[in-house]
Amino acid sequence: QVQLQESGPGLVKPSQTLSLTCTVSGGSISSGSYYWSWIRQPAGKGLEWIGRIYTSGSTNYNPSLKSRVTISVDTSKNQFSLKLSSVTAADTAVYYCARDRGLRFGVYYFDYWGQGTLVTVSS
Amino acid sequence: DIQMTQSPSSLSASVGDRVTITCRASQSISSYLNWYQQKPGKAPKLLIYAASSLQSGVPSRFSGSGSGTDFTLTISSLQPEDFATYYCQQSYSTPSFGPGTKVDIK
Repeated sequence: QVQLQESGPGLVKPSQTLSLTCTVSGGSISSGSYYWSWIRQPAGKGLEWIGRIYTSGSTNYNPSLKSRVTISVDTSKNQFSLKLSSVTAADTAVYYCARDRGLRFGVYYFDYWGQGTLVTVSS
Repeated sequence: DIQMTQSPSSLSASVGDRVTITCRASQSISSYLNWYQQKPGKAPKLLIYAASSLQSGVPSRFSGSGSGTDFTLTISSLQPEDFATYYCQQSYSTPSFGPGTKVDIK
């Protein structure tokens, strides 16, 4: 059973960089046709996809966040990471990591999720 | 960007009711539509992928249909554990989610 666990600071100051890591257990991050995604959810609001990475290192980002987002992978540690720069209060949210399974063109879905971690942007 | 809308935004229902939630895309997304269930304080859970394929382990009372721009999620007989918020998500292009439909107890 694949499990994902987010970790990182719960409080980030405005204008600084938010950094989170997702540790994958129960399987190798390198096996299978999987992307690995970050998704966030402000309190009481809906879900926003941030971006994804394949284990080859190729990435896709949400255009609305692309200028501030970097996602990287460390296959030796079975981890992938998110960096979001120049944060403001609007970036306060629960951040989820998720496995993004692709069956064929267009058929992608998030089948395993971490429990989520709350990141608050405040001075 | 593909915008997703859902209706209703919330509904009240009783155990045993048949519940239908609608999701609409701003352009055709073929059948590249997924449904998730989220309970308070928990991560979303995948229910349906590719519009109508039931994820392993999900009860058969959940079903999905539709293609193009209009999709539905149906719960054939609502159970106590089904009270939650439901989100649709398109995978045709940059992933995007609908705003959610909250199902609560009548």
